[in-house]
Amino acid sequence: KNEVEQSPQNLTAQEGEFITINCSYSVGISALHWLQQHPGGGIVSLFMLSSGKKKHGRLIATINIQEKHSSLHITASHPRDSAVYICAVRSGGGADGLTFGKGTHLIIQP
Amino acid sequence: DTEVTQTPKHLVMGMTNKKSLKCEQHMGHRAMYWYKQKAKKPPELMFVYSYEKLSINESVPSRFSPECPNSSLLNLHLHALQPEDSALYLCASSQLERLDTQYFGPGTRLTVL
Repeated sequence: KNEVEQSPQNLTAQEGEFITINCSYSVGISALHWLQQHPGGGIVSLFMLSSGKKKHGRLIATINIQEKHSSLHITASHPRDSAVYICAVRSGGGADGLTFGKGTHLIIQP
Repeated sequence: DTEVTQTPKHLVMGMTNKKSLKCEQHMGHRAMYWYKQKAKKPPELMFVYSYEKLSINESVPSRFSPECPNSSLLNLHLHALQPEDSALYLCASSQLERLDTQYFGPGTRLTVL
C-alpha cells in the first residue's frame, strides 16, 4: 500500500506570503491529486498530476515522478486560502480509490 | 453539471436504527466511491463501484452495506452502528480513465448515539 507523507502538518503565514506544501509517496502512482477541504467538510479537487507542472490562478502544482515528490505552491496568499490541503495518490488504473496524506492545515492571517 | 450531491447533510441515529445515505451524480461517471473521514484525519476508502458493480471493499464491517441501483446513484445502508462509526461520509465519482479527477460530494456528518 502506498504511504503518503505531507509536510508541514500545520502552517500559519501572513497574507501575501508564498506558501509551499510538500508531498512524498512510497510506491509508483498513476496520478497525484491535490485537494482542498474547508471546515464543514466539502472537498474540492485542485489539481491532478501525472507529470510536470500545472498552474491555476495563484496555485501551482509540480511533480517529480523519479523522486516521488510533489509540491503545491500558493502565491500572494490570502486569508480565503485558509483550509486543509490534502495530497492523495492513485496507484492503479481504472476505478481505484485514492490514498490520502494527513493534510496540511493552512492559516493565512490578514 | 459537475456536482455530486449527498443527502442527508447531517444524521443522528441510535445503535439499533437502520438508515441510508444517498449520493447522486449526473456527470455520466461510471465509478463511484464511499470514503469515511474521522475528525482531523484524512479520508479512508471504504468501497468502489465500477459500472454499478462493487469492485473494491476495503474490509469494511458488514454493518455498512453499499448499493448502486443505477449509474447515477450510490447508497450506503447503515445498520447496528457503533458510536465509533461517527464520522463524515464522503461520496465521490469519476470517469474510469486512468488520469481522471474525482469529484467529491459535501459529505454526510453521521453521529451514532
